[in-house]
Amino acid sequence: DAGVTQSPTHLIKTRGQHVTLRCSPISGHKSVSWYQQVLGQGPQFIFQYYEKEERGRGNFPDRFSARQFPNYSSELNVNALLLGDSALYLCASTAGPGDYGYTFGSGTRLTVV
Amino acid sequence: GQQLNQSPQSMFIQEGEDVSMNCTSSSIFNTWLWYKQDPGEGPVLLIALYKAGELTSNGRLTAQFGITRKDSFLNISASIPSDVGIYFCAGHLPGGTSYGKLTFGQGTILTVHP
Repeated sequence: DAGVTQSPTHLIKTRGQHVTLRCSPISGHKSVSWYQQVLGQGPQFIFQYYEKEERGRGNFPDRFSARQFPNYSSELNVNALLLGDSALYLCASTAGPGDYGYTFGSGTRLTVV
Repeated sequence: GQQLNQSPQSMFIQEGEDVSMNCTSSSIFNTWLWYKQDPGEGPVLLIALYKAGELTSNGRLTAQFGITRKDSFLNISASIPSDVGIYFCAGHLPGGTSYGKLTFGQGTILTVHP
């Protein structure tokens, strides 16, 4: 069984650029969450999507957006990149509401220069 | 925002020793989770706790959901070199506005000397 897959694994962008990160959940999982993990800290919640609708949003600026597709995969978009956006971006999936056993992918390491 | 206070920040132990770490919060959580993260990887779920007072084991790992619902601990018995990594506690707050949101502690860095 494939786990949560994320692409790309590493990315280098310049300040002001836009980035799109992708996530495929575990087969059968309908809920996807996105987290940002800055070096030396625990992950911080950005978004959760379930059945293609946003169900939860963390304290991040409007430069961050996401969407979920009919096949339950998801994209995280970040506009006008800042140096402080450099982090490991993690995607996690669960079956749906009430399932808190989040399975994380290996993440996308974003470096903004 | 909501904080989980995880301690200790780091531990240096000898192989075979037992390890204990804990998390506390000022808020009540309805779920506590413990994760391990290796360098360059995402967190891997070790134990999930769903009821106050619940004590759950997974091999050499044991975790408990505090009675007050504001704390949890993780014990590792007879540590081995592959236990090295960063351990995170995470909690899920009750209520619809917290849907899907896990709050993580700052992590405990565990080093095991052979």
